Amino acid sequence: GAGVSQSPRYKVAKRGQDVALRCDPISGHVSLFWYQQALGQGPEFLTYFQNEAQLDKSGLPSDRFFAERPEGSVSTLKIQRTQQEDSAVYLCASSFGGNTEAFFGQGTRLTVV
Amino acid sequence: GQNIDQPTEMTATEGAIVQINCTYQTSGFNGLFWYQQHAGEAPTFLSYNVLDGLEEKGRFSSFLSRSKGYSYLLLKELQMKDSASYLCAATDSNYQLIWGAGTKLIIKP
Repeated sequence: GAGVSQSPRYKVAKRGQDVALRCDPISGHVSLFWYQQALGQGPEFLTYFQNEAQLDKSGLPSDRFFAERPEGSVSTLKIQRTQQEDSAVYLCASSFGGNTEAFFGQGTRLTVV
Repeated sequence: GQNIDQPTEMTATEGAIVQINCTYQTSGFNGLFWYQQHAGEAPTFLSYNVLDGLEEKGRFSSFLSRSKGYSYLLLKELQMKDSASYLCAATDSNYQLIWGAGTKLIIKP
């Protein structure tokens, strides 16, 4: 597609529910990043893929968070047993890699009630 | 540790000039990005500096001093649509982007 696509745009989950957030990067982009952004803050790094390999997952806040990119294109961020503190906007970005600019999706706003 | 500092909020007048500063401390350095983010929208790329000096792109310019760990974004002829958050992000030795919290720029008529 023309840009990075994320779905759903908005998700309301009951505490304890599992959620799956999807990211469709720009075709041909090697690098894919997931970020968590709280209101009024900059993006906080969660995890990074180069093709299908997850090279860095140091930003995932707990073992309830899991990300995958099995075929090196679409990625899914899964959050198990959601908690209220998980409420945030989850941004996905992709790039050709190295120091090239990253293109962001519109994000998924997750609200845990 | 790695850290990016930028002011939380700035106010400027339509038609004026504003400079948004950013200081960084990273493990290694491979360049600095500026992004613009309107409320509720995704960040969009503005500029990238890896060498010292000023990069000019229309009404926006970005400056980098590697020895001082310092960058600024300069916005000229401010327009109301420039009201947004401006995010500074430095790339470390692993090409990982380290983000600042963003500077909210408010433009007044």
